[in-house]
Amino acid sequence: DAKTTQPPSMDCAEGRAANLPCNHSTISGNEYVYWYRQIHSQGPQYIIHGLKNNETNEMASLIITEDRKSSTLILPHATLRDTAVYYCIVRVPQGAQKLVFGQGTRLTINP
Amino acid sequence: EAGVAQSPRYKIIEKRQSVAFWCNPISGHATLYWYQQILGQGPKLLIQFQNNGVVDDSQLPKDRFSAERLKGVDSTLKIQPAKLEDSAVYLCASSLTDPYEQYFGPGTRLTVT
Repeated sequence: DAKTTQPPSMDCAEGRAANLPCNHSTISGNEYVYWYRQIHSQGPQYIIHGLKNNETNEMASLIITEDRKSSTLILPHATLRDTAVYYCIVRVPQGAQKLVFGQGTRLTINP
Repeated sequence: EAGVAQSPRYKIIEKRQSVAFWCNPISGHATLYWYQQILGQGPKLLIQFQNNGVVDDSQLPKDRFSAERLKGVDSTLKIQPAKLEDSAVYLCASSLTDPYEQYFGPGTRLTVT
């Protein structure tokens, strides 16, 4: 079972920052937070991951709370191409622990 | 670099027939995964290979599903016989090694009638 809770859907205006929340209150100390997204009719795409420090790459920023029980994925300037289902996943980054995808958040970017 | 390739992209079969899907991972990626994604749900891992050995097949319905990865490169996933509930998108992914990011192929959409 997925260990995360995400809102089923969100809307954001094009050009604005999209902030996607994720609750992972049962996360353990060695589990990382991963974000993937899935654009319609495509396979999931890796976005970013982190342990406890905030992370940023060319796609997004990941903000993890100090107690690590929740995180927020930030798309700083959303475009129509960012419309997708966003999955927040927690896992230990070694061994055979699988990626467990929940329902994700369906993000719609409006023009 | 070339991405994960899958074929066919679409397949329609009748129940009780058999079907096979093919996956070619990104060159050099040791780990290969097969996922099943039912409409409206997130992908579910069916089987994970490390080179040509199985790491995890705990959610593979072994009475009807089988998978192999010969020579640690290409992989095939087979369903025999198919049931209506097997209608889904079958996704293949690969990674350099676990735990790094997984790269997904476009998937094969299977419809069982």
